[in-house]
This record gives sequence, structure tokens and C-alpha cells, in this order.
Amino acid sequence: DAGVIQSPRHEVTEMGQEVTLRCKPISGHNSLFWYRQTMMRGLELLIYFNNNVPIDDSGMPEDRFSAKMPNASFSTLKIQPSEPRDSAVYFCASQAGWTYEQYFGPGTRLTVT
Amino acid sequence: GEDVEQSLFLSVREGDSSVINCTYTDSSSTYLYWYKQEPGAGLQLLTYIFSNMDMKQDQRLTVLLNKKDKHLSLRIADTQTGDSAIYFCAEAGTASKLTFGTGTRLQVTL
Repeated sequence: DAGVIQSPRHEVTEMGQEVTLRCKPISGHNSLFWYRQTMMRGLELLIYFNNNVPIDDSGMPEDRFSAKMPNASFSTLKIQPSEPRDSAVYFCASQAGWTYEQYFGPGTRLTVT
Repeated sequence: GEDVEQSLFLSVREGDSSVINCTYTDSSSTYLYWYKQEPGAGLQLLTYIFSNMDMKQDQRLTVLLNKKDKHLSLRIADTQTGDSAIYFCAEAGTASKLTFGTGTRLQVTL
């Protein structure tokens, strides 16, 4: 299995631009999670989906952040407009419903200048 | 809310055992996890333990859980240089929502 796939791996953008991060979960996994990792705040859960439906988005920082999961094999996390404080590594993880094992992708390192 | 605490740094000699500790506050935690993160990489699931267990062993890894004290530990036997990484403790209370600790950086010296 290819594991969780994220793209791009690195993104550098200017403040005010729109950023879209992409994730392909492991085939057959029905839960998908978006996390953000920073030195100051550590790992934070932003949002998670179950069967393509958002279950808990209480970690989404503000309205500039949005996430979608149009089908079982694809999810996006969008930041519009981006700000320097959004600079972080964003991880996607997936989990099969009958297990308690979350598998992480390699992450997208976002730098907003 | 839930809180998970870890010490920031541990240094051990190659061949020795490493013990990484974690405390958590959520008494309703169902599963507790250990993840490993190498530089520039994602988090790799090492092992996890259900809250009704005291111990779980998997090759060089031993997890101990003291539910009364809300204390979790990860012991790595015969620590190797390839074990150098950041180790995260995480707990899951309800559903699949994980709360992570701050991570412990393990340095293995020759």
C-alpha cells in the first residue's frame, strides 16, 4: 500500500494568496484527519471526517480555513487568504473504522511570507 | 480539556534501554499511543495500548500503563542510533480524536 499521500510536500506563498493542500487517504479507510504542527503549539487536530462527512471542525482556527472531502479518496484543506502565522507542517492521517490505528502522511510544509 | 505531558529530551547510550514517560489528564481515555517522528517525516505509529491493559510488548518495545496515576511509558530495549527521533504520546478519549503530547526528543549516543 502507498500509504497516505499528500501534495505538495512543500509550499511557499505570499501573504494573501490562496493555498490548497491535498490528501489521498489509504484505500478502504473511512476516517480522515487534518493536523497542524508548529513549534509553539505542537500537533493540533484541525478537522476530521468520517465517511466523507465532517464530524468535528472545532480545531479549525478561523473562517480562512476550510476543508472538504468530496469522495472517499480525496480531501483538501484550503487557506484563503493565507497569513504568515499559518506557516506550519500540515499532516493528513487516515484510519479504518474497525481499528484504532491512525496512519499519517509525510506532511506539507507551508511557508507564508 | 485533555492534556498530555512529556519531558522534552532524553539522551541514552547505544545499547542501553530508553524509557520515555508521559502523563495525561483525561480519565476517559480509551486508547493510548506512541508515535515516532524522524526529521522531515510524518508520524509513524509504533504501538498502542487499550486502557484496560497494564502492559504490551512488541519486540524491543514495552508499553506500561498505570491508569490510576494516568502514566504511560515506552521502553526501548537495546537502543540503536536509528531510534533517534521525536516520540509522541497520544490519547484518544471519544471516537478517534487524538490529543498529542509535546514530544520527547531521543538522542542516542555512541
